Amino acid sequence: AQSVAQPEDQVNVAEGNPLTVKCTYSVSGNPYLFWYVQYPNRGLQFLLKYITGDNLVKGSYGFEAEFNKSQTSFHLKKPSALVSDSALYFCARRGGYQKVTFGTGTKLQVIP
Amino acid sequence: DTAVSQTPKYLVTQMGNDKSIKCEQNLGHDTMYWYKQDSKKFLKIMFSYNNKELIINETVPNRFSPKSPDKAHLNLHINSLELGDSAVYFCASSQVQGNNEQFFGPGTRLTVL
Repeated sequence: AQSVAQPEDQVNVAEGNPLTVKCTYSVSGNPYLFWYVQYPNRGLQFLLKYITGDNLVKGSYGFEAEFNKSQTSFHLKKPSALVSDSALYFCARRGGYQKVTFGTGTKLQVIP
Repeated sequence: DTAVSQTPKYLVTQMGNDKSIKCEQNLGHDTMYWYKQDSKKFLKIMFSYNNKELIINETVPNRFSPKSPDKAHLNLHINSLELGDSAVYFCASSQVQGNNEQFFGPGTRLTVL
């Protein structure tokens, strides 16, 4: 089955430091990968996606993600974390019939 | 201008009741979805409609019945509500062509007492 995994339930980072939220994907099929963010009591918001092309994808709010085929990873990164980045982050993968499978989510806590 | 809207935002009801959640998108998308997010924040797809046609129907009790009167609307009706149905339900939409991202509604928090 085509899936994604987020190995960390929570990531803590100091404000101003670089942040990484990890995501790995299963090898089968084309990896159409997405990152979404969910702020408290809100719906998910799209950040960025990898379909094909450049391995480094830039998205909203200064986030970027690197598609790494050899490591089957699609980690979300930001050079300098803001307190306002604190939220729940979901990696997702599009499969057949437009079905999107979400990871279990990683809570990012940026400490002032 | 809300892109994907859901009503109601909160729904508190007794076990055994029947309730509906409505969803509307004004983005002109051709595909709409219902997701369930449980208390651990796990997000799972329930249904998907493309141009009013059901294309994804996950292992969901048949007490849940989606209805899409047109491309812009996808409603969710739940019969005989159970305690385990308590969750946040999200509607989403996307334009399928081009592997486009999904746009989510604000969610409906359902509490079954």
